[in-house]
Amino acid sequence: IAGITQAPTSQILAAGRRMTLRCTQDMRHNAMYWYRQDLGLGLRLIHYSNTAGTTGKGEVPDGYSVSRANTDDFPLTLASAVPSQTSVYFCASSLSGAEDTQYFGPGTRLTVL
Amino acid sequence: RKEVEQDPGPFNVPEGATVAFNCTYSNSASQSFFWYRQDCRKEPKLLMSVYSSGNEDGRFTAQLNRASQYISLLIRDSKLSDSATYLCVVNTNAGKSTFGDGTTLTVKP
Repeated sequence: IAGITQAPTSQILAAGRRMTLRCTQDMRHNAMYWYRQDLGLGLRLIHYSNTAGTTGKGEVPDGYSVSRANTDDFPLTLASAVPSQTSVYFCASSLSGAEDTQYFGPGTRLTVL
Repeated sequence: RKEVEQDPGPFNVPEGATVAFNCTYSNSASQSFFWYRQDCRKEPKLLMSVYSSGNEDGRFTAQLNRASQYISLLIRDSKLSDSATYLCVVNTNAGKSTFGDGTTLTVKP
């Protein structure tokens, strides 16, 4: 089934640890995105990639890094997790850019203690 | 001021009611607009795009007012299944999306 997957589904992490959230899509979409959603709030863009090999910073990029080695995968890395990074993380993709419909993965619920 | 602001809600309406949400945006260079629906703790899903001429999809009508920089969503004949959070999304021509904080709708029997 075509779509976008994320792993892990949820994770509890000790502060200071490194963590990579995985995101894979099989729709051959050029653009991919990482958002975080805190309780009661909307989604905030962390990083994005308009095409394989390129990435850009969103609204809240500090403490996060991304890579886009190929079209399908867009991992998000927390180099040294802090409690304020406790959130739900959604990965999304769109055909060519933000002007297109974005399709979201099921999310990763991350708790940093 | 936030780039995208939505009615705070929550909206609690009876089945069959008509309800309208507004969303204002501050960037006059915004190019495309969407409404997404998000069910509790799940991923957002596209409800409808918003076109300059306005558009309708069944019981849902979306409108854009560029001069006043707002978009609206009208839901007619509300169903219990319409209960969700509705997110307004505004995109600039630089390819960045900004989400509103969402408006929560609860439709009651």
